[in-house]
Amino acid sequence: DTGVSQDPRHKITKRGQNVTFRCDPISEHNRLYWYRQTLGQGPEFLTYFQNEAQLEKSRLLSDRFSAERPKGSFSTLEIQRTEQGDSAMYLCASSYGIGGGTDTQYFGPGTRLTVL
Amino acid sequence: QKEVEQNSGPLSVPEGAIASLNCTYSDRVSQSFFWYRQYSGKSPELIMSIYSNGDKEDGRFTAQLNKASQYVSLLIRDSQPSDSATYLCAVNMGYGNNRLAFGKGNQVVVIP
Repeated sequence: DTGVSQDPRHKITKRGQNVTFRCDPISEHNRLYWYRQTLGQGPEFLTYFQNEAQLEKSRLLSDRFSAERPKGSFSTLEIQRTEQGDSAMYLCASSYGIGGGTDTQYFGPGTRLTVL
Repeated sequence: QKEVEQNSGPLSVPEGAIASLNCTYSDRVSQSFFWYRQYSGKSPELIMSIYSNGDKEDGRFTAQLNKASQYVSLLIRDSQPSDSATYLCAVNMGYGNNRLAFGKGNQVVVIP
């Protein structure tokens, strides 16, 4: 059973450029999450999908951020007009769940974004 | 008030000793609790999950949960240099979205 994979692992971009990250969850996991982590802090929730439906978005997810999971499998996170404050590790996690409150989330290796 | 708090600074323990980490959370309806280990530059790796009051043991790790006090702890017995990492406490916030709220983590350094 392969784990969560993310691509690319590292991305360096200039301020104002658009970037897109991909996440492939553990097969048969119906739930997929995006988090962002900055140095010295714990991960912060960005958004959550159950199958292809985006069920929750954090207020941290400004209009420049958009996420999709078109077929309920892989997901993409796009950041438009990047800012230096977007520099962080972007983490994807997946889980299998039917009800609420007890899923175990498994994290991918992350994509480290540096905005110059 | 932060959703999850880990207030202790870096913890240095000699090899073979017990490392003790604490975490408090704010929302009484939280139902599931997790400890993740994170090595520098890497992503979080699940160590333990706990859902009921009391202790849960897995190898050298023991998680303790007290819902009345809204308190979760992790004990690492017979600490090894490979245990040197940041330990993140995470709480499932429920309310139908299952998002995890994380503390900022506690760094553990095991001294050979």
